[in-house]
Amino acid sequence: EDKVVQSPLSLVVHEGDTVTLNCSYEVTNFRSLLWYKQEKKAPTFLFMLTSSGIEKKSGRLSSILDKKELFSILNITATQTGDSAVYLCAIIDFGNEKLTFGTGTRLTIIP
Amino acid sequence: GAVVSQHPSWVICKSGTSVKIECRSLDFQATTMFWYRQFPKQSLMLMATSNEGSKATYEQGVEKDKFLINHASLTLSTLTVTSAHPEDSSFYICSARPIQSSYEQYFGPGTRLTVT
Repeated sequence: EDKVVQSPLSLVVHEGDTVTLNCSYEVTNFRSLLWYKQEKKAPTFLFMLTSSGIEKKSGRLSSILDKKELFSILNITATQTGDSAVYLCAIIDFGNEKLTFGTGTRLTIIP
Repeated sequence: GAVVSQHPSWVICKSGTSVKIECRSLDFQATTMFWYRQFPKQSLMLMATSNEGSKATYEQGVEKDKFLINHASLTLSTLTVTSAHPEDSSFYICSARPIQSSYEQYFGPGTRLTVT
């Protein structure tokens, strides 16, 4: 059974700090890893990672995948209060094309 | 583009009644839609995969007679919670996969169900 573990479960930092969120996984036949941001409603897509070592970047957010060690990190630099959310990591298995989500990391940015 | 809507956004119902939640892809066609449930401070748990014109595939532990899924068209899937109980209170989220994609999913805004 596919499994996704995220750490830390929650994180509180001050505005301007840099944070690193972790996601490790076990999957039968890895296709892709995705990061989502969830505020009050449904998740919004951030990144999809398929290849190792290639950083994906969008503004202050970046992410990278290590397929050998089976993990990914999501970095947020110069954090703002609007970054407060739950960040979800999910994997897709080639066999069934379903998303398996981790428990998420609840990030709180203090002004 | 790629907008998914859900209706209603929130609903309160009495124990023993049934509730229907609609999931629509507004600007694309989706052969596959997914239904998730999310309890407070927990992650999304896949309940079932819904394919247009065929029976839904339920995840282990999800009662198919309690959570009826119908995917009658390429833009609409419905989830009916039958004989609702307070423990069914949760946030229900659907997602839709465009026909031309094998992995993308676009999420709806969710429906918060409270059973009293």
